This record gives sequence, C-alpha cells and structure tokens, in this order.
Amino acid sequence: SAVISQKPSRDICQRGTSLTIQCQVDSQVTMMFWYRQQPGQSLTLIATANQGSEATYESGFVIDKFPISRPNLTFSTLTVSNMSPEDSSIYLCSVGTWGDEQFFGPGTRLTVL
Amino acid sequence: TQLLEQSPQFLSIQEGENLTVYCNSSSVFSSLQWYRQEPGEGPVLLVTVVTGGEVKKLKRLTFQFGDARKDSSLHITAAQPGDTGLYLCAGEGSSNTGKLIFGQGTTLQVKP
Repeated sequence: SAVISQKPSRDICQRGTSLTIQCQVDSQVTMMFWYRQQPGQSLTLIATANQGSEATYESGFVIDKFPISRPNLTFSTLTVSNMSPEDSSIYLCSVGTWGDEQFFGPGTRLTVL
Repeated sequence: TQLLEQSPQFLSIQEGENLTVYCNSSSVFSSLQWYRQEPGEGPVLLVTVVTGGEVKKLKRLTFQFGDARKDSSLHITAAQPGDTGLYLCAGEGSSNTGKLIFGQGTTLQVKP
C-alpha cells in the first residue's frame, strides 16, 4: 500500500481567502483523487487529478472554486478558493490504479470563519 | 447515477453484541470496498470484494458481496469498543474510471 501525507493537517481560515492543500505519495501512482467530507457525513468526490492535464471534476464542483494541479505521479494540490463557512470540511486525497484498492491520506481539516 | 444506500446510519451497542451493516444499490458494481475511519484520520481499507456471492472474513468481521453485485453486508461478531468508528462502503462503477461512490456511512459505537 502507498503512504500518503497531506499538508496542512488542519487550518482555520478567514472568509474570502484561499488555501492550498498538498498531497504527497511515496510511490508513483496512476490515479489521484480529491474528496470532501463534510462534518458527520460521508465522502464526496470532487475531482480526479490527472497528471499533465486538467483535472476531471464531478458534478457540482468547478475548477474556479477548486483548482487542482498534478505536476507528476507522486504529488497533487487542491486549492479551496474564496472560502466561505460552507467550505468547512475535511479534504482527503486518495490514490489507486484501475481495478485496485484506493488508499487515503489522513485528511486536512478546514474551518472557515 | 449510481447510488449506494447504507444502513443503519447510527448504531450504538454493548460490547459482545453482534451487528450487521448493509450497503444496497440498484446498480451493478465491479467491486465494492469497506473502509473504517476514526476521528482525525482518513478511511482505512478493510476489504475489497469483487466476485458475486463472495464472502471474506477478517477476524470477527465477515463481508459478503451479493450474487448480483448490487449489495454487500458487513457483519461483526462479538463487537468490542475498539470496533467503534465510521464504517463506509464504496463501490467502483462499471465505467472503470477508478472513481469510488460512497455510501452514507454507519457510525458505530460499542460501549464497554
């Protein structure tokens, strides 16, 4: 299994600002995903981070709000832009390959005031 | 749109009791995974089931995949306080994109 780290582990931000979350994997992986987990709820997929091309966003999520970069096979970033209190959530990255299991990072707990 | 309905959403039981969590869909999934998540951590994979009718055991946990690959169950025997956590089922759709669809989750509390 892959070892995944995320930075920061938590942050408290002011409304209207942006936060960039980093996801680092200890090995090259085919697929990386970003999820949101709102308080007390399950996980919702935000987007698939594609290496060398634009991310593929799920319904309800747009690039202007959640820009994603994936410069190589071991690293990705998710930015939460122009934050509002509704963006307070845990943001998780995961990695996997087609037909294989996904492994999750520890998550970034974001609180927007 | 593929959906996974997970039940119950909350479960509070005494140590030693048995329990079953269900994950149901009207859609076929190529595989289904069960995760456990503790506060402040990401979900940790428990098992993946791939074949219809498959049964997998992990100590006191028994996982079953329905014959039609539309549903799954997690049964815990003699629950212990250490089993407390959020249990999530997740299915990979037939589109083979690697994307997972998650159920709503079951919050389990096992009281000593």
